[in-house]
This record gives sequence, structure tokens and C-alpha cells, in this order.
Amino acid sequence: DGGITQSPKYLFRKEGQNVTLSCEQNLNHDAMYWYRQDPGQGLRLIYYSQIVNDFQKGDIAEGYSVSREKKESFPLTVTSAQKNPTAFYLCASSLKDFSYEQYFGPGTRLTVT
Amino acid sequence: QKEVEQNSGPLSVPEGAIASLNCTYSDRGSQSFFWYRQYSGKSPELIMSIYSNGDKEDGRFTAQLNKASQYVSLLIRDSQPSDSATYLCAVNGESSASKIIFGSGTRLSIRP
Repeated sequence: DGGITQSPKYLFRKEGQNVTLSCEQNLNHDAMYWYRQDPGQGLRLIYYSQIVNDFQKGDIAEGYSVSREKKESFPLTVTSAQKNPTAFYLCASSLKDFSYEQYFGPGTRLTVT
Repeated sequence: QKEVEQNSGPLSVPEGAIASLNCTYSDRGSQSFFWYRQYSGKSPELIMSIYSNGDKEDGRFTAQLNKASQYVSLLIRDSQPSDSATYLCAVNGESSASKIIFGSGTRLSIRP
């Protein structure tokens, strides 16, 4: 079955701790994305990568970091510098660039207290 | 500032009727348009993509694009209670390098 997996589904952390969210895809897509969704709001782009070993900041990259060492994997680290980290985090992938359809993983709901 | 606007709803439609969801966008050069369905607490699921002016049909869903008026709409025929969800409109800019912008979504409720 082809698709995108994210883990964990729920994550709880104390303020000041870094946390890494996993995203894996077996769709053979070149591009991968991280979005953040807050209640009642649209998706906001955190980081994206269109090729292995390269990634770009999105609209709200501050306090986040990513890596793209393998085509299949695009982990997101939420650092202690992120002021409001509690949110629903969504990973997506597309065949090539933004003009292609994006497919989403199931999401990780992060709560920081 | 490029924008994608949707009426937040809720839009209430009786079962079996046609639900019409609308989206306007500000970037006149936009080329790619997408509709996603998102159930509460779940991730968005792609329903339709449309790239050319006119209608595109897939089962009970029809996407309509009018680039001159800068709007894209989604029609759902024979609405079912399982169609109750938030529908997100997403628009890509003029070039493939332009990021997708998501609207905040329209909440649709199908009443039996």
C-alpha cells in the first residue's frame, strides 16, 4: 500500500524540550512538505523539500528544523525556540513541485505544556 | 499578499440536495487549483484538482474554474451525511515554484 505515514499520532512534551516528528512516504515522490494547522485556520507551510539534501523555509519556519537525507523521509524538529508549538502537524508529498497534487499523512497532534 | 478566501460556514444542506462551495483567489496568474475534504480531527484528503477553465466531474463531485473571475467552486450532488466535513480550497501561483496557499475552509453540514 502506497502512502504517507506520520508518527506518533499524539505527542506530549514539556516546554523547553525539542521534539522530532517523523514522516515517511513510499509514493516515490520527489517533494515533501510540512504544514501546521491551528484550530479554525488554514494550513501554513513550515518547510518543504523538492529534492534530497535540499530544503527551503516556508512561511513560518522560525523555531523548526528539518532534514532530507533520504527521498522517503522528511523529519521535522520542533525546537524550544518555537513560541507556540501546540498544533496539528501535517506532512505531505507531491510528485514534483507545488503545481502537483499534494497527498497528506494522518498528522501528529503535538501538545506542549 | 496572495490570498485564498472561503466562507467559513457552516453551510447546511439537506440530504440529497446539491452543495455548492465557493473559493476566490487573489493571484491572477494562478494555474493549479485543488479541493480537499477534512473530517474533524483528521488530515486533508484530496478530492479534485483542476487546471483549466470550465468544469471537471468525478462521480458526485464537480469542480468549476473561472480564471477571469478568479473563483473556483465545488459542487457535491446527491449530498450524503458522510459529506459533512470542512472543505479546503488550495491554489498554486503562476509558476511551479509558487507555493500553494490554502483557504481556511468551509464547514459543510448535511442534514438528514
